[in-house]
Amino acid sequence: GAVVSQHPSWVICKSGTSVKIECRSLDFQATTMFWYRQFPKQSLMLMATSNEGSKATYEQGVEKDKFLINHASLTLSTLTVTSAHPEDSSFYICSARVTSRNEQFFGPGTRLTVL
Amino acid sequence: QKEVEQNSGPLSVPEGAIASLNCTYSDRGSQSFFWYRQYSGKSPELIMFIYSNGDKEDGRFTAQLNKASQYVSLLIRDSQPSDSATYLCAVKKGGTSYGKLTFGQGTILTVHP
Repeated sequence: GAVVSQHPSWVICKSGTSVKIECRSLDFQATTMFWYRQFPKQSLMLMATSNEGSKATYEQGVEKDKFLINHASLTLSTLTVTSAHPEDSSFYICSARVTSRNEQFFGPGTRLTVL
Repeated sequence: QKEVEQNSGPLSVPEGAIASLNCTYSDRGSQSFFWYRQYSGKSPELIMFIYSNGDKEDGRFTAQLNKASQYVSLLIRDSQPSDSATYLCAVKKGGTSYGKLTFGQGTILTVHP
C-alpha cells in the first residue's frame, strides 16, 4: 500500500516551454501532497504544499507564478513549470501524506532537463 | 544553525558492522522524526519513524530519540553493501500544517565488503 506514481519519469524540453508533472496516489487518498526539488548532491527542498480543493502554499523564495500547482482530486496533484529555463533543470519529487497518518510516501521523481 | 543537521559523511563501515547515523534538530516543538533512504538517482523511501523518547526497532534498523538532547539516530545492524545509500533525517514540527517535513542534508553511507 501507499504507492505514489509520477509521470513523466524524465523530460527534456527547450528553454521557454512549459512542462507538466503529475503525481498520483494509487491506492490511497491524499488530501495533502508535497512538491520537492533536489539538485545534485543536495538534499530535498520543499517547494510547496498542495491541498485538495484549495490553493497551494509555497515556501519562501519559490515563485508561485512559475511553478503552478493544482490538486484537483484526492489522488492527483500536478506541477507545471512555466517558461522553463536551464536553471530549472532538477529532480522534482512529489510525496503524499496518508490522511490521518504520520508518514509521507514519495513518488519516483521526475528528472527535468531544460536545454 | 540549520533546522535539521546531519553529518554529510561519507560514513564507511565494513559489511556486518553496525552503522550509526546521527541527526540533531533545533525546534524543541518537533513532534515526529523520520528516516528515509535514498539511492543515487532515486527518490527517498521511508525506513521508519519515531515520536516517543527511546528506541524503536524494525528488523535490522533501530531508531533512537532523545528529545531533551534534540537528537535522533538510526542504527543499522549487520550492514550490507545494499545499505549503501544516502540517509535522510526528516522532522515534523509541532503545529505544522499538513505534516510538512524538514529534511537534513543527508549522510552518505558506504558499506564495503
